[in-house]
Amino acid sequence: QLQLQESGPGLVKPSETLSLTCTVSGGSISSSSYYWGWIRQPPGKGLEWIGSIHYSGSTYYNPSLKSRVTISVDTSKNQFSLRLSSVTAADTAVYYCARQGAGTTSCDPWGQGTLVTVSS
Amino acid sequence: QSALTQPASVSGSPGQSITISCTGTSSDVGDYNFVSWYQQHPGKAPKLMIYEVSNRPSGVSNRFSGSKSGNTASLTISGLQAEDEADYYCSSYTSSSTWVFGGGTKVTVL
Repeated sequence: QLQLQESGPGLVKPSETLSLTCTVSGGSISSSSYYWGWIRQPPGKGLEWIGSIHYSGSTYYNPSLKSRVTISVDTSKNQFSLRLSSVTAADTAVYYCARQGAGTTSCDPWGQGTLVTVSS
Repeated sequence: QSALTQPASVSGSPGQSITISCTGTSSDVGDYNFVSWYQQHPGKAPKLMIYEVSNRPSGVSNRFSGSKSGNTASLTISGLQAEDEADYYCSSYTSSSTWVFGGGTKVTVL
């Protein structure tokens, strides 16, 4: 059964870079049938797609975050990562990683999510 | 890109049917059959309920069904049960090769 687990600092200072890693277990990240995505949810608010990556390295980013986001993949570790630069309090959210079907485009399964707070 | 439009809340009594709408544009919902629906209980990760407009993943109750007409997709929950009380989000692929979510709908079982 495929499982995803987010990891990284729970507290980031304003203007610094948020870095998270998603470890995939129970399956290979190197499948042409899937993308691997990051989604976030500010406290009490809705879901926002951040971006997605294919194991080949192709990336797709939310236009509103594109200038600050980098998503990368490490097939040797079965992991993919998110970097979000110049963070502000508005970037405080639960960050989820998920597998996205290249055909269906739906997200399934999801990681449990990790809360990242931006504060000095 | 703008978020898809969903009603903030929908309610119904046990056993009733409710429908949640998700309105987009001709660049997302209207142009692709790549609409998905997710259920999220408090403190939990979202769960895929419907993909490609009307398909249910294995294990999802057949009380959940999806449809689409023009720029609006819909999720119907029939035979409403207490466990269906949750937040529901739609999402769609877009012509810009991006994905967009709806603002979410809180379903209350009266």
